[in-house]
Amino acid sequence: EVQVVESGGGLVQPGGSLRLSCAASGFSLSSYWMHWVRQVPGRGLMWLSNINGDGSSTTYADSVKGRFTISRDNAKNTLYLQMNSLRAEDTAVYHCVRDLDYSDASGHHFDAFDIWGQGTMVTVSS
Amino acid sequence: AIQLTQSPSSLSTTVGGRVTITCRASQGITNDLAWYQQKPGKAPKLLIYAASTLQSGVPSRFSGGGSGTDFTLTISSLQPEDFATYYCLQDYSYPRTFGQGTKVEI
Repeated sequence: EVQVVESGGGLVQPGGSLRLSCAASGFSLSSYWMHWVRQVPGRGLMWLSNINGDGSSTTYADSVKGRFTISRDNAKNTLYLQMNSLRAEDTAVYHCVRDLDYSDASGHHFDAFDIWGQGTMVTVSS
Repeated sequence: AIQLTQSPSSLSTTVGGRVTITCRASQGITNDLAWYQQKPGKAPKLLIYAASTLQSGVPSRFSGGGSGTDFTLTISSLQPEDFATYYCLQDYSYPRTFGQGTKVEI
């Protein structure tokens, strides 16, 4: 079965750090762009970051740039999100997401998040 | 950042009804838009990408349209399992941004 499973969430104090992991199974992580998306319970979705197949290209939302780092270990088929200087507003469920990697006839790539993990809850509170 | 505004924010309808949700972008995004369905306690599910391409396994009662700044998600005949919250997402530029969601209720 193709799936991703997140882990590493928990309760952390403001200013603290956490590293989230996302274990992929049923497919080779190296073949796909991957993303992190978060959701405050009961609220909307927010895209955080993405990384290309070999890890050479990363992008971040402004609100996490400089604090969060996305990385991957393709040998372990695992994606990571290192989160530093955490704030109360980072409290959310964090989802690991696979990008379908669809391109049309002209070669234009479209994001299509086809595989989502159930998420791991991060609570930032003193 | 590109803002996506969905309308309505919520709607009530009946099984068998036709539903159209609109997503308006703050600037042109060609056809770089996807739609997701989320049920309570579950992760989002991809319905449509590239504005109108139906994801494999998604029922044909779902369809997407539009380009530029105005997009629609239509459910032709609502089924009980379709009651959920729907989000649009633009991938035209960074940061990727979601609409605020549209809750479809009975």
